[in-house]
Amino acid sequence: KNEVEQSPQNLTAQEGEFITINCSYSVGISALHWLQQHPGGGIVSLFMLSSGKKKHGRLIATINIQEKHSSLHITASHPRDSAVYICAVNNGYQLTFGKGTKLSVIP
Amino acid sequence: EPEVTQTPSHQVTQMGQEVILRCVPISNHLYFYWYRQILGQKVEFLVSFYNNEISEKSEIFDDQFSVERPDGSNFTLKIRSTKLEDSAMYFCASSEGLSYEQYFGPGTRLTVT
Repeated sequence: KNEVEQSPQNLTAQEGEFITINCSYSVGISALHWLQQHPGGGIVSLFMLSSGKKKHGRLIATINIQEKHSSLHITASHPRDSAVYICAVNNGYQLTFGKGTKLSVIP
Repeated sequence: EPEVTQTPSHQVTQMGQEVILRCVPISNHLYFYWYRQILGQKVEFLVSFYNNEISEKSEIFDDQFSVERPDGSNFTLKIRSTKLEDSAMYFCASSEGLSYEQYFGPGTRLTVT
């Protein structure tokens, strides 16, 4: 069974700061997902990665398959980025989720 | 933009009652999923569904749970005899293919009293 660990669990940043959230997993995967969960509970897919790096606006996600590690970066953070960021990995049909990183961006 | 929808948004039921949670996945998607999130805990996989049958299920998905795609659009999760510990947010998701991006519905908050 895959174990997914995220760090940090909680993160408070000043507006404009560069943010990094880390994810590591224990077993080889077919894909890794970064998700955003808003305070109301809704989940939005940010990225799906199987190798390399993806960028969308101020968000960048990277994955190192050999090291079983992924990072999510937010550049020029904004209070609207405040949310829980969740890493999840694909093993076959199943997604295994991390506990999430709660990000608070202060104006 | 197409989206996954779920109804109801909130369901309150008494212990022992049956509930059906409904989802309408994105129309050209082939894979469907149910997840749950107990308050304050991480999201957990329940079941995946492809080609009109369960493709994988977790240990949580025991005999009290069932899924169905009764027509071309709906995907339902039935809990036969609810327990207090079934209180959670239930999310439906769909994807075009295996290991593709998954699109989540807004969730149904189930409260069992």
